[in-house]
Amino acid sequence: AQKITQTQPGMFVQEKEAVTLDCTYDTSDPSYGLFWYKQPSSGEMIFLIYQGSYDQQNATEGRYSLNFQKARKSANLVISASQLGDSAMYFCAMREGLGSNTGKLIFGQGTTLQVKP
Amino acid sequence: DTAVSQTPKYLVTQMGNDKSIKCEQNLGHDTMYWYKQDSKKFLKIMFSYNNKELIINETVPNRFSPKSPDKAHLNLHINSLELGDSAVYFCASSPGQGGWVDEQYFGPGTRLTVT
Repeated sequence: AQKITQTQPGMFVQEKEAVTLDCTYDTSDPSYGLFWYKQPSSGEMIFLIYQGSYDQQNATEGRYSLNFQKARKSANLVISASQLGDSAMYFCAMREGLGSNTGKLIFGQGTTLQVKP
Repeated sequence: DTAVSQTPKYLVTQMGNDKSIKCEQNLGHDTMYWYKQDSKKFLKIMFSYNNKELIINETVPNRFSPKSPDKAHLNLHINSLELGDSAVYFCASSPGQGGWVDEQYFGPGTRLTVT
């Protein structure tokens, strides 16, 4: 069963507007972490933001925020004031068993975001 | 300073050959990983080492053998390369000390093309 689902293969957003990238997950582990990574066309994987299952508040990092809805098992990434440099592929990932050292990330299929000038 | 480095960045080889990819991290992390990204951009864990000990070994053909000479290095050796091995291979590292976040830092990737 797919543990991380990103239903939007591709998204467009106008420069300076906000955009939400969807991510839903499935786990029975009460301790888990959710991560978002950005992969620009150059290929590297860049860590953006993290949300722990026990965190009371939604995570924010600059223009990135994570809309965490635990009951719905969703962890959507919100990018505010989009910039041309935000054009990239975005991956949602989950790590189960927080607090252990067996930290494999399970990735979603990715969403390609294109920012239009 | 490069945190996680991989060599080579590109690797083109013929079917049946044996090749290695090297990874080094200078972050002082205890845990290192190998991920494979296929042609559809799907990323999947292959292996993970914590302090030179293999802790994750996903369903990967025996032709793939990771080796960790010390906790700063994790190499990937592939025997008898097949066309389906063509992919981008990412090395990553994380503190791996049971921390809650244990953010993984990725290397630049090695694009392997088997002809």
